[in-house]
Amino acid sequence: SQTIHQWPATLVQPVGSPLSLECTVEGTSNPNLYWYRQAAGRGLQLLFYSVGIGQISSEVPQNLSASRPQDRQFILSSKKLLLSDSGFYLCAWNLDRADTQYFGPGTRLTVL
Amino acid sequence: DQQVKQNSPSLSVQEGRISILNCDYTNSMFDYFLWYKKYPAEGPTFLISISSIKDKNEDGRFTVFLNKSAKHLSLHIVPSQPGDSAVYFCAASEGGSYIPTFGRGTSLIVHP
Repeated sequence: SQTIHQWPATLVQPVGSPLSLECTVEGTSNPNLYWYRQAAGRGLQLLFYSVGIGQISSEVPQNLSASRPQDRQFILSSKKLLLSDSGFYLCAWNLDRADTQYFGPGTRLTVL
Repeated sequence: DQQVKQNSPSLSVQEGRISILNCDYTNSMFDYFLWYKKYPAEGPTFLISISSIKDKNEDGRFTVFLNKSAKHLSLHIVPSQPGDSAVYFCAASEGGSYIPTFGRGTSLIVHP
């Protein structure tokens, strides 16, 4: 069966520090991968999605970036965190277009 | 501009009664609709979906109704249970699109 992992589960970082969040999927090949953010009191905002290795589409311009170095690995990064980057970051995957997305457990990021 | 709107941020219901969560959309090209359930500090999990060729889909205690002319869908939970207390997200996608658009969520509280 397929599983999706995210780490770390929680993270507290100072403003201006770098960020690296990792997501991996097991039990499937060539998934579509997604990064979402849920800010306090807000819905799920799509940040990036990827349909293959090295293919990244950005939905929202910001100081975050994403990379997909391997088929089942998706990384969210920042060189310098802002206070507004605080939120709950979710990774998700699916196989087919418009298929149900399966979400990871999320990372709670607090930028102080 | 929000294409998927959940106008009620919260809903409180007594155990055993019906919970009705509403969702409106503006994009007439949406043809697939989903509901996700999210507990605090966890990723959303898929609950139920409906295609635009149907007006109702039922799965146990959960029923989703779709009114295409009104661009409105609703999720009915009968009977409501305390374990149903969570945030419910409505999502919609166009055929062939990778990307569902999420509403901001409705927090359901079911009182014993």
